[in-house]
Amino acid sequence: DTGVSQDPRHKITKRGQNVTFRCDPISEHNRLYWYRQTLGQGPEFLTYFQNEAQLEKSRLLSDRFSAERPKGSFSTLEIQRTEQGDSAMYLCASSQPRAGGTDTQYFGPGTRLTVL
Amino acid sequence: QQQVKQSPQSLIVQKGGISIINCAYENTAFDYFPWYQQFPGKGPALLIAIRPDVSEKKEGRFTISFNKSAKQFSLHIMDSQPGDSATYFCAARTLNTGFQKLVFGTGTRLLVSP
Repeated sequence: DTGVSQDPRHKITKRGQNVTFRCDPISEHNRLYWYRQTLGQGPEFLTYFQNEAQLEKSRLLSDRFSAERPKGSFSTLEIQRTEQGDSAMYLCASSQPRAGGTDTQYFGPGTRLTVL
Repeated sequence: QQQVKQSPQSLIVQKGGISIINCAYENTAFDYFPWYQQFPGKGPALLIAIRPDVSEKKEGRFTISFNKSAKQFSLHIMDSQPGDSATYFCAARTLNTGFQKLVFGTGTRLLVSP
């Protein structure tokens, strides 16, 4: 099963450190999304790529956050100078465009970040 | 700003019973409403979705009921099974606008007792 994969699955870091997460989408999907999920809440949209172009960014994505998808395949999400409030599950999803726009977003297992 | 409100927060149902989860939205531009199921340690997975041109959609034991005038929609799980125990999220988005983000509800933790 070649679903969406994310690495690492868990990351513990100290406040002020930088962290980087990787997402590998389903191979034929050209749309890629990042969401953040805190305990007891639904996922919150962070950003969206179509191929290598970053087309949408949430206001949640402060200047400490940066996402890239350099070759339109895998994507990285970097958080600089981490804060305790960044502790969350970071979810990646991918989709393939469909007529009518009803493409299904397939989610990976997430990277759980704990900032001490 | 929460644009999709979901209730209840948690739900306990006997095996064989009907589980009902409700959602309400504010943004009338939303025109696609999926439900996602999430097991511990896993990402959300699409369960069923509806567009507002129909009032009901059924897939197996799962049914979405949609009330456009009330801006409400609900998930019904018939003959609930212990394997259905998971967290369920309703979501919404606009189609054909170039905006792809899903707006999720806060989730309902369902426990189906044997």
